[in-house]
Formats: sequence, C-alpha cells, structure tokens
Amino acid sequence: NAGVMQNPRHLVRRRGQEARLRCSPMKGHSHVYWYRQLPEEGLKFMVYLQKENIIDESGMPKERFSAEFPKEGPSILRIQQVVRGDSAAYFCASSPITGWTGELFFGEGSRLTVL
Amino acid sequence: LAKTTQPISMDSYEGQEVNITCSHNNIATNDYITWYQQFPSQGPRFIIQGYKTKVTNEVASLFIPADRKSSTLSLPRVSLSDTAVYYCLVVLNSGYSTLTFGKGTMLLVSP
Repeated sequence: NAGVMQNPRHLVRRRGQEARLRCSPMKGHSHVYWYRQLPEEGLKFMVYLQKENIIDESGMPKERFSAEFPKEGPSILRIQQVVRGDSAAYFCASSPITGWTGELFFGEGSRLTVL
Repeated sequence: LAKTTQPISMDSYEGQEVNITCSHNNIATNDYITWYQQFPSQGPRFIIQGYKTKVTNEVASLFIPADRKSSTLSLPRVSLSDTAVYYCLVVLNSGYSTLTFGKGTMLLVSP
C-alpha cells in the first residue's frame, strides 16, 4: 500500500517562473492537506482539500498560490511568479474520509529552491 | 486552538530514557494530544495519541495527568536513529483538524 507520493522531490525555479507540486494521497484517502516548512521553522498549514473542493485555505498566501484536488489525478499546489521567499519544503498529507483519528500521513516533501 | 509549549532541544545518550514534556494549558474537552516525529528531509510521522492517563505503543509512551494541561512523551532506551524533531500537537478528534505544528523539540542522541 503506497504512501503519500509527492513529486518532484526537488524543484529549482528562477524568480518569476511557476512551480507546480503534485501530491497523490494514500489509497482510500480523499482528504489532502498542504504544509510549508521554511528552513529552521515548523510546518505551517496552507490548505485543506477534498475531491473537487477547497475546504480550508486560511493558511494560503492571498496572491500567487493556488491549490486543487480534481476528481481524477493528484492534488496540485501551484505557485505563480515565484520569489526567493518561496524557497521551502512543501509537504502534502492525507487522511481517510472517515474514521479521522488525528493522524495525518505525510509525503516526503517537495523542496523548492528559487534562484 | 490550544497552544503548546515544549523545549527547543534536548540531548541524550544511547540507551537512556528520554522524556519530552509539553504544556497545553488551554486544551479543550474534545482535544486529543498527539505527537509526531520528523527526521531531516522527511515528512512528519505520527507517533502516538492520547486523551488521558497513559498510552503505550511499540514506539513510545504518552503520559497525561488528570488536568490534561501537560503531557510527556517517553522514549525508552533511545538509539542514534531517534535523533529527530518531536512535535506535540493538540488535535480536535472530530471531522478534520488543520494540525498546528510549533517548532518542536530537537532531540539529539549521542553515542
């Protein structure tokens, strides 16, 4: 049973380019969460999605960031016109639709470096 | 959401028992205490969760006093591979909860 899969693991972008990070949740999970971790910092919640719905985006920056979780395919976190401050590790986590226990299953993360 | 406070760092040696205490003075009735572990360059991993008294699994024990304003994660006989950041979280165990991670406790285990 594969875990949460994130790709790419590492991404390098120049300022002004776009970054797309993908996340496939664990089999049977339909809730996806995105977190960002800056160097030497804890994880910060960004957005919570269910299939085709954004449930909570209170942690998303108002501009340049967007997320989706389509009916088919992975969840995507999109960062437009990246700036150096976007350099961070972006973690995706998933949980099952029922039986929430407080346990999130995290992927290995995608490390974005903005030059 | 209840805020948690835990030490920034701890040092230990192989074979010792490590106890990491977390305070959560404003914990609500329906909140659970949850601990995660994060190794460098990896995502966090759920360790243990409890509501009150003591919970034990194959990895750790969690001690929660009656007032639930604090909790202690106990790692028996640590090894070098237990070097990691440990996060204490308070989670509403109903529906969903956007987990709030603090900076955690960096545990360094030395030979």
